[in-house]
Amino acid sequence: QSALTQPASVSGSPGQSITISCTGTSSDVGSYNLVSWFQQHPGKAPKVMIYEGSKRPSGVFNRFSGSKSGNTASLTISGLQAEDEADYYCCSYAGSSTYVFGTGTKVTVL
Amino acid sequence: QVQLVQSGAEVKKPGASVKVSCKASGYIFTGYYMHWVRQAPGQGLEWMGWINPNSGGTNYAQKFQGRVTMTRDTSISTVYMDLSRLRSDDTAVYYCARSIIENWFDPWGQGTLVTVSS
Repeated sequence: QSALTQPASVSGSPGQSITISCTGTSSDVGSYNLVSWFQQHPGKAPKVMIYEGSKRPSGVFNRFSGSKSGNTASLTISGLQAEDEADYYCCSYAGSSTYVFGTGTKVTVL
Repeated sequence: QVQLVQSGAEVKKPGASVKVSCKASGYIFTGYYMHWVRQAPGQGLEWMGWINPNSGGTNYAQKFQGRVTMTRDTSISTVYMDLSRLRSDDTAVYYCARSIIENWFDPWGQGTLVTVSS
């Protein structure tokens, strides 16, 4: 199972919106509405930001939103803030009760 | 509060085995699957597998089949991840993470650094 493909880095200025893509195949992202997104600050454990493609757990700001089109899922951060600077990973169900993570994207707030 | 506390850092020689524990508290242990995810230094997250603490059933990523064993002890609300025939590229931080629904992983343990070096 190959890792999902994410851009290595994305940057934006405070207040702007950025979008991180997560490209898989018809065997994972394209077949299931089971993509989650995780935020990871340096030296910390990941934190879930989105699950089931577009749902936000309680406590996650509505600046974070998720969507999917075909084999590509996306995470959009609106109104970018300094504390959003972190690494972001997508994760998709891949069939047969297995999961696969994306390659990760470093978000920089300029 | 819901919490996962993992065992401490380990240093192992190539070919050895390591067993990492993850103690759960604050919720019904047998009600949620537990997953293991690892992260090599400076690298991304890698899913390893899950265990159903209720039945003991497991499912592992193909990459780790034959080398990883996940078990649980319901009497102490603890799951274990045993990785054998360690290689230098197994050096990583290993995390346990509770699954609320599918890949809604929350919370995560604090991570356990396993270093494989001769």
